[in-house]
Amino acid sequence: DGGITQSPKYLFRKEGQNVTLSCEQNLNHDAMYWYRQDPGQGLRLIYYSQIVNDFQKGDIAEGYSVSREKKESFPLTVTSAQKNPTAFYLCASRSQGQGRTEAFFGQGTRLTVV
Amino acid sequence: GESVGLHLPTLSVQEGDNSIINCAYSNSASDYFIWYKQESGKGPQFIIDIRSNMDKRQGQRVTVLLNKTVKHLSLQIAATQPGDSAVYFCAENSPYQLTFGKGTKLSVIP
Repeated sequence: DGGITQSPKYLFRKEGQNVTLSCEQNLNHDAMYWYRQDPGQGLRLIYYSQIVNDFQKGDIAEGYSVSREKKESFPLTVTSAQKNPTAFYLCASRSQGQGRTEAFFGQGTRLTVV
Repeated sequence: GESVGLHLPTLSVQEGDNSIINCAYSNSASDYFIWYKQESGKGPQFIIDIRSNMDKRQGQRVTVLLNKTVKHLSLQIAATQPGDSAVYFCAENSPYQLTFGKGTKLSVIP
């Protein structure tokens, strides 16, 4: 089945460590997005990519990094520079342009600093 | 713009009543809008969409209304059920930009 998959579902990080969250889609979508969601709050855009080998910062990019080496994959690294990384992270993808579809979301990764 | 750090507005509705969730958008050129439902601990899921050549679109128990004059969307849920309890987001689905509203938490009172 086509879809968007995030892994792992739960992730624990020690202080000072970098961790990488995986996001894979087989929907042939050009655009991919990473959002952060804190308890009881809305979606905040971290990074997005509209094409392979290109990405742009969103509203809260500090302390995060991404890569887009393949169309299907858009991993997010939470670096030690992110001082408050505990949150729910959501990845999304969609096609673009006049024939665009709705955005499809993964099931999220809950990151906790221990 | 979005007020970072503020909790989501909450709408409490009695089971069986109708719910109306509102959303304002900013770009008058936006032509495609989507409503999403997010259950606790899960990713948002598509509910219904509407394009700017329509004022109203109906699904199963849901209706979306679009008022382009005042740049306003609403989602109406008929006969609200406990399973409707979730956070609801609207989105402006532009050709090369995707913008989400703040979200509204719907709580259904049994």
